[in-house]
Amino acid sequence: DAGVIQSPRHEVTEMGQEVTLRCKPISGHDYLFWYRQTMMRGLELLIYFNNNVPIDDSGMPEDRFSAKMPNASFSTLKIQPSEPRDSAVYFCASSLGSSGTTGELFFGEGSRLTVL
Amino acid sequence: RKEVEQDPGPFNVPEGATVAFNCTYSNSASQSFFWYRQDCRKEPKLLMSVYSSGNEDGRFTAQLNRASQYISLLIRDSKLSDSATYLCVVNRGSSNTGKLIFGQGTTLQVKP
Repeated sequence: DAGVIQSPRHEVTEMGQEVTLRCKPISGHDYLFWYRQTMMRGLELLIYFNNNVPIDDSGMPEDRFSAKMPNASFSTLKIQPSEPRDSAVYFCASSLGSSGTTGELFFGEGSRLTVL
Repeated sequence: RKEVEQDPGPFNVPEGATVAFNCTYSNSASQSFFWYRQDCRKEPKLLMSVYSSGNEDGRFTAQLNRASQYISLLIRDSKLSDSATYLCVVNRGSSNTGKLIFGQGTTLQVKP
């Protein structure tokens, strides 16, 4: 079975450019999460969706970040305009039912973003 | 103060050694706890859940101390393949919420 699929795997862009990261969760999973990982801050939860509805976006750093989930099989995380401090690995994860009790998030391989 | 705190290490141990990692969490209402493993430049994967009574999975033992808000992971008879970063994970809040908070991880390097 296909796992969580993210694209692009690597992106190098210049400051000020728009970046769009994409995620296809595992079919049938009803929760989708976006995390960001850096050496300094570790894995930070940015936003998560339940049944395509954003539940908590308190981790989104600022208005430059936005996330959408137009349907159950697709989500995007957009950064506009991008800044060098946004350089990180962005992970998408999905889960079936609430991960609060099962703990099992299935992560994609991540999108490594470098903003010059 | 971070919600989930771990000693980043690295822990350098020889094969066959026993090693223990600790983690503290700040939200006393948290109900669910887990350990994840992350290999270098890979995604995190669930290693095991942590139950109040403690639990074992082969060479791995996880324990929870709610009074001290402390979680531990013990690895016995370390293998080279155990080299990875171990992430302590706590759910934020007492409800059945999906909001899992990750510690920064403890890096383990097992040497031959």
